[in-house]
Amino acid sequence: GNSVTQMEGPVTLSEEAFLTINCTYTATGYPSLFWYVQYPGEGLQLLLKATKADDKGSNKGFEATYRKETTSFHLEKGSVQVSDSAVYFCALPHQTGANNLFFGTGTRLTVIP
Amino acid sequence: GAVVSQHPSRVICKSGTSVKIECRSLDFQATTMFWYRQFPKQSLMLMATSNEGSKATYEQGVEKDKFLINHASLTLSTLTVTSAHPEDSSFYICSARASGTTDTQYFGPGTRLTVL
Repeated sequence: GNSVTQMEGPVTLSEEAFLTINCTYTATGYPSLFWYVQYPGEGLQLLLKATKADDKGSNKGFEATYRKETTSFHLEKGSVQVSDSAVYFCALPHQTGANNLFFGTGTRLTVIP
Repeated sequence: GAVVSQHPSRVICKSGTSVKIECRSLDFQATTMFWYRQFPKQSLMLMATSNEGSKATYEQGVEKDKFLINHASLTLSTLTVTSAHPEDSSFYICSARASGTTDTQYFGPGTRLTVL
């Protein structure tokens, strides 16, 4: 089945720093790719997604580009805020076209003032 | 937006008892719901896929007789942990896929189960 490998954390940044969280995937075909975020004490929320190669997903200042050449979907933000402190998960369908998701191990981000 | 609720949010029970967790899609119909388990500081592990009106599909290694799943309506799925033991203590999360959509899942806030 499909899988993702996600950069291990934790990551600690100062406010307004640039963020990159790496995610690479192994898949049959070109499945949709997702980033989910889990804020402290809350459930997962979809942050952004890309459905085909070269698509760029974006939301709340975060971006990720679906790159088939490097099989990557790295998450980036130009200037992080304290409120971005959370755990970020890269995910894709277990099998291309299937509904159930395979999640990466998660990367904990802490942004300090 | 699409909202998924879980009840209870937190439950503590004695070893040997059964616990039922509800997952509801509040403003949409969900043909398919998923149940995940999350251990501390680890990722989510899919336990089973629940389709309305049919039997759940369990992932390898998940005991279907221990984790009973019922998806009786398009807005409700339940997970019952039968004869719970301390090793079943975990964070259980459900998600729902809206009927007619293909890949976006909406997650519930999770239920923390502690078995004494």
